[in-house]
Amino acid sequence: QKEVEQNSGPLSVPEGAIASLNCTYSDRGSQSFFWYRQYSGKSPELIMFIYSNGDKEDGRFTAQLNKASQYVSLLIRDSQPSDSATYLCAVNKGNAGNMLTFGGGTRLMVKP
Amino acid sequence: DADVTQTPRNRITKTGKRIMLECSQTKGHDRMYWYRQDPGLGLRLIYYSFDVKDINKGEISDGYSVSRQAQAKFSLSLESAIPNQTALYFCATSDSGGVYGYTFGSGTRLTVV
Repeated sequence: QKEVEQNSGPLSVPEGAIASLNCTYSDRGSQSFFWYRQYSGKSPELIMFIYSNGDKEDGRFTAQLNKASQYVSLLIRDSQPSDSATYLCAVNKGNAGNMLTFGGGTRLMVKP
Repeated sequence: DADVTQTPRNRITKTGKRIMLECSQTKGHDRMYWYRQDPGLGLRLIYYSFDVKDINKGEISDGYSVSRQAQAKFSLSLESAIPNQTALYFCATSDSGGVYGYTFGSGTRLTVV
């Protein structure tokens, strides 16, 4: 089992819809969780991070964390074609010097 | 100027050549990392450094070496480049607490022919 798992996709949604991206992790002691967006050939850029159970909203983005079920998700409301990218989930397990473990990413395609 | 700067942005080199990729940062972070990314394989950690005197191997360090010249500079070398080292290389930085995750450089696209 990978430490951080994501469906590679592609996840295809129509413009204006809600895109739901999911990530599961294996280490129950994981403390903080990050979502990065990466356009093809570009570097990952941080969208959001979340530490506590529940929802955290930032504009059209909502991160959801459920530590009991060991999953974190990212919702993108009113999806736009410019949201088409690969979304990387990263987890700080709190040990190993607070290093991040990255999932393989989910490719999102938003169709006009 | 970017917080994390990588040079060169693109490089084509021949098999067997030595090449150095450079990374500098203005974030004031102690920690620096080198990753490579291949299509479909995600980010893979090559080396990381928690401070100037601390260098550690990542999951795929064979064929690579690094140098932490200063807090702000971390270089990756390919001693004798081979074609399967063709990839996109990213440098990243973070603070020691990992509170805000990693900041990535713009990447270096390396092609070994």
